[in-house]
Amino acid sequence: DAGVIQSPRHEVTEMGQEVTLRCKPISGHNSLFWYRQTMMRGLELLIYFNNNVPIDDSGMPEDRFSAKMPNASFSTLKIQPSEPRDSAVYFCASSRPGPYEQYFGPGTRLTVT
Amino acid sequence: AQSVTQLGSHVSVSEGALVLLRCNYSSSVPPYLFWYVQYPNQGLQLLLKYTTGATLVKGINGFEAEFKKSETSFHLTKPSAHMSDAAEYFCAAHLITGNQFYFGTGTSLTVIP
Repeated sequence: DAGVIQSPRHEVTEMGQEVTLRCKPISGHNSLFWYRQTMMRGLELLIYFNNNVPIDDSGMPEDRFSAKMPNASFSTLKIQPSEPRDSAVYFCASSRPGPYEQYFGPGTRLTVT
Repeated sequence: AQSVTQLGSHVSVSEGALVLLRCNYSSSVPPYLFWYVQYPNQGLQLLLKYTTGATLVKGINGFEAEFKKSETSFHLTKPSAHMSDAAEYFCAAHLITGNQFYFGTGTSLTVIP
């Protein structure tokens, strides 16, 4: 299996621009998670989906952030408009439904100037 | 409130010495417990997990952890540190009663030659 796939791996954008991060979970995994990691705040859960349905989005920092999962093999995290404080590494992870281990992608390093 | 606490954000050991990384959880119901490792510029990967059964679990790279319900702990150990063990380690708890996942703040392990 190819594991969790994220794209792009690196993104540099200017403040105010729209950013879209993409994730392909492991086939057969029905749960998908988006995390943000920074030195200051550590690893933060932003949102997670079960069977393509958002279950908990309480970690989404504000309305500028949105996430979708149109089907079982694809999810996006969008930031519009982006701000310098959004600079971080964004991870996508997937798992079987339930309290099971999560498989993380390699992350997208976002820099907003 | 449920949570995961990792004592010590930075741990340094000499090569060949014992590695001990501490993790305590707070939960009214024993959760599934995990240790993940993150190497630089990579996503988290599973080291080991405890779900049910034997309380001493073995993982990859010679690591093991023991679930102690009375102490609500799940400390990670390795008898002899190797230079390649230098990484960030995360303890995590996933509650079996619902869709709740908690990660600790991480412990950075440095191995001194």
